[in-house]
Amino acid sequence: QKEVEQDPGPLSVPEGAIVSLNCTYSNSAFQYFMWYRQYSRKGPELLMYTYSSGNKEDGRFTAQVDKSSKYISLFIRDSQPSDSATYLCAMRRANQAGTALIFGKGTTLSVSS
Amino acid sequence: GAVVSQHPSWVICKSGTSVKIECRSLDFQATTMFWYRQFPKQSLMLMATSNEGSKATYEQGVEKDKFLINHASLTLSTLTVTSAHPEDSSFYICSAMSPGGLETQYFGPGTRLLVL
Repeated sequence: QKEVEQDPGPLSVPEGAIVSLNCTYSNSAFQYFMWYRQYSRKGPELLMYTYSSGNKEDGRFTAQVDKSSKYISLFIRDSQPSDSATYLCAMRRANQAGTALIFGKGTTLSVSS
Repeated sequence: GAVVSQHPSWVICKSGTSVKIECRSLDFQATTMFWYRQFPKQSLMLMATSNEGSKATYEQGVEKDKFLINHASLTLSTLTVTSAHPEDSSFYICSAMSPGGLETQYFGPGTRLLVL
């Protein structure tokens, strides 16, 4: 079993839809959770960062962490064509400062106008 | 957020030549930087962890003599692809670990390498 699982999609939605992107993980020691957005031929861009469980909201984006289920989500409200990209989840243990994040494979999202 | 730059953004070279890619953290000091490779429609693949002032740590299957990494300062890491071959053609992305409590990674824009 991979440490981080993410459905690669592709996921296609119409403009204005609510998008739900998810990752599951197997290591209960993960404490830091991030979501990155990667446009084609560009480096990943940090979108959301959460520590431990709970919700975090930033504009149209909401990140949720459910540690009991080992499940994290990114919700995008009022999706726009400019949200079309690949979204990668990433995570790390608390006592691994200086080590690379563990990434999911990424979900490709396409928002049509 | 923190800014990481890469140079060049793309490079075309002949088979057998060496190519150097620079990664700079522009507004913070990064003791740790990472190098990734990404093939089309594939996920990021960690190649190595670069620590300032010490030898890089390579992931299994990555040839350290082929992919030379130098992290000479707190704001610069370089990746040199030696004796490049067409199969080395890929998208190379660096990232830098942010300082302080955030402990996350900020990525550069990537370098596209095409070896003819």
